[in-house]
Amino acid sequence: GAVVSQHPSWVICKSGTSVKIECRSLDFQATTMFWYRQFPKQSLMLMATSNEGSKATYEQGVEKDKFLINHASLTLSTLTVTSAHPEDSSFYICSARAERGGTDTQYFGPGTRLTVL
Amino acid sequence: QKEVEQNSGPLSVPEGAIASLNCTYSDRGSQSFFWYRQYSGKSPELIMSIYSNGDKEDGRFTAQLNKASQYVSLLIRDSQPSDSATYLCAVRSNDYKLSFGAGTTVTVRA
Repeated sequence: GAVVSQHPSWVICKSGTSVKIECRSLDFQATTMFWYRQFPKQSLMLMATSNEGSKATYEQGVEKDKFLINHASLTLSTLTVTSAHPEDSSFYICSARAERGGTDTQYFGPGTRLTVL
Repeated sequence: QKEVEQNSGPLSVPEGAIASLNCTYSDRGSQSFFWYRQYSGKSPELIMSIYSNGDKEDGRFTAQLNKASQYVSLLIRDSQPSDSATYLCAVRSNDYKLSFGAGTTVTVRA
């Protein structure tokens, strides 16, 4: 399967600081990447769709000025959580859309666990 | 996002038994369906994808799709302790977004 990496795998920061999370597709080009958030004991919730070379589209209720997304190349998307607060503590997971052999599949990164103190 | 419902867990099965997981979805126009496995503290990994009505088998896993009933299921045969995880049903919309169910936690008893 396709490989997607995320960095960092975990981060602890103070309230009010900004945190950047990187998502990379390692062996394929991804025109579309997705960012999810997962709180404990809950399922994945889509936050935004990241398209290479254009602005990200955000799901209802997700603040675009707080969660900045940049998809600067076909293999890299970044999510910056600005002015993070304890309620932003969560497991952030990206996925990259791969079109291979006539199929279209999302492959997930390993996730980034954010803890805001 | 569209609604995806999974049967409530947790589901506990003895080793070697069949685990049966169910999922229903609200968007009748959906065409692509996925089962992901998620171990605690890890991200989801794709187990099965299914696009046509009927059964699709891959090793010990069988996915079943019935678009008329808006129903997807996953059978795990000969369950192993390593199958203990949360299984997520996902439905893809025409804009390639995935909607996930809440997940069913499966525990395989040795």
